[in-house]
Amino acid sequence: GIQVEQSPPDLILQEGANSTLRCNFSDSVNNLQWFHQNPWGQLINLFYIPSGTKQNGRLSATTVATERYSLLYISSSQTTDSGVYFCAVAYNQGGKLIFGQGTELSVKP
Amino acid sequence: DGGITQSPKYLFRKEGQNVTLSCEQNLNHDAMYWYRQDPGQGLRLIYYSQIVNDFQKGDIAEGYSVSREKKESFPLTVTSAQKNPTAFYLCASSSRVHRGNQPQHFGDGTRLSIL
Repeated sequence: GIQVEQSPPDLILQEGANSTLRCNFSDSVNNLQWFHQNPWGQLINLFYIPSGTKQNGRLSATTVATERYSLLYISSSQTTDSGVYFCAVAYNQGGKLIFGQGTELSVKP
Repeated sequence: DGGITQSPKYLFRKEGQNVTLSCEQNLNHDAMYWYRQDPGQGLRLIYYSQIVNDFQKGDIAEGYSVSREKKESFPLTVTSAQKNPTAFYLCASSSRVHRGNQPQHFGDGTRLSIL
């Protein structure tokens, strides 16, 4: 089946710094989503981005489907950005998502 | 407000006991999903349903059962056959699936532990 790899696995930032998270996937996909899981376990939709570029405030994402990767950019990081960021993809039938292992981000004040 | 409601937030299971996790959505979504998350891991799919009265096994269906009698409800039963049920369970929904290209929205989850 399709493989989803995220890097880096862990990231520690000082408040105000910028960061880039990467998601590689091993086959063509027709759905790619980025999520933020907060310390309480809530999974928050950040982007639905099977291709192209989107921006939402300090966050932006780019997916290059032909090269099978997606990037999540976080600018001017804040302590509330801490948590785990997941990339998930879906392909062919059913829409079921395959999740990566996540990037755990810690933003220090 | 539209959304996905999971209950309870915390659940404890005794040995040999079946327990049922509730998932309700008022988003008028056709498809619903159950995922399991173990500590430090990503989510894995247990079961999914694209329409009422139909559901399919995901990657880790053994020891679980589901029903989909109503569009808005997709309860998950963790049976006594599931030997390691301690995990965080998340329910999701999406609008009608066409080649898997609709975003999924998640509930707040249920934490299940063994007594």
